[in-house]
Amino acid sequence: EAQVTQNPRYLITVTGKKLTVTCSQNMNHEYMSWYRQDPGLGLRQIYYSMNVEVTDKGDVPEGYKVSRKEKRNFPLILESPSPNQTSLYFCASSLSLATSGTYEQYFGPGTRLTVT
Amino acid sequence: DAKTTQPPSMDCAEGRAANLPCNHSTISGNEYVYWYRQIHSQGPQYIIHGLKNNETNEMASLIITEDRKSSTLILPHATLRDTAVYYCIVRGRTTSGTYKYIFGTGTRLKVLA
Repeated sequence: EAQVTQNPRYLITVTGKKLTVTCSQNMNHEYMSWYRQDPGLGLRQIYYSMNVEVTDKGDVPEGYKVSRKEKRNFPLILESPSPNQTSLYFCASSLSLATSGTYEQYFGPGTRLTVT
Repeated sequence: DAKTTQPPSMDCAEGRAANLPCNHSTISGNEYVYWYRQIHSQGPQYIIHGLKNNETNEMASLIITEDRKSSTLILPHATLRDTAVYYCIVRGRTTSGTYKYIFGTGTRLKVLA
C-alpha cells in the first residue's frame, strides 16, 4: 500500500531535549516536505526536499533541521525543542514539484508533539 | 504568492450538494488550484485540482470562473463522512524557483443528518 509513515505519532518531551520525528514513504517520490499545523493558522511549511541531499527552508524553519540521505526518508530534527514548537506535524511526499507538474501530495498521519 | 480566502464554516444537509467557495483573486496564469480535505486531525487528503477548465472526479467537481479569480468545490451528495475541513490551495513558487503549496485556514464543513 502506498503510504507515508511517521513516528512517533504522539510525543511529550521537555524543553531542550533533542528529538527526531521520522518520515518514510514507499512511493519513490522525489519531493518531501514537513508542515506544522496550529489552531487558526492552517498548515505551514517547515522544510522541503526536492531530492536526495537537496533541502531548503519553508516558511517557518527556525528551530528545525532536516536531512535527506535516502530518497524514502526525511527526518525532522528538533535540536533544542521549546514550548512554542508544540504542534501537530505532518510529513508529505509527491513526485517532483521542481517542474510545473500537477502532482498531488500524500500526507502522513501526523505527529502530535507537546513540549513542556 | 497567491493567497486563498474561504469562509470559515458551512453546514450542509446530508444528501444535498455541498458548494464550497474559494477566492484566489491574485492567482497567476499558470498556477493550479488544488483542493484537499482534512478529517479530524488526520493528514490532509487530495480531492481534485484544476487550471482553468472545470474538472470532475469520483469525489467532487471543481468549477473555476473564467477569470480564474475564484472557484467552487462541489460535493454532489454530501454524506456524514464528508464532514471535514476543506482547503483550497494555490501552488506558489519558492525563492529558489520551485513550487510549493500555500494552505489557508480552510472551510469547516459540517454535514447534518
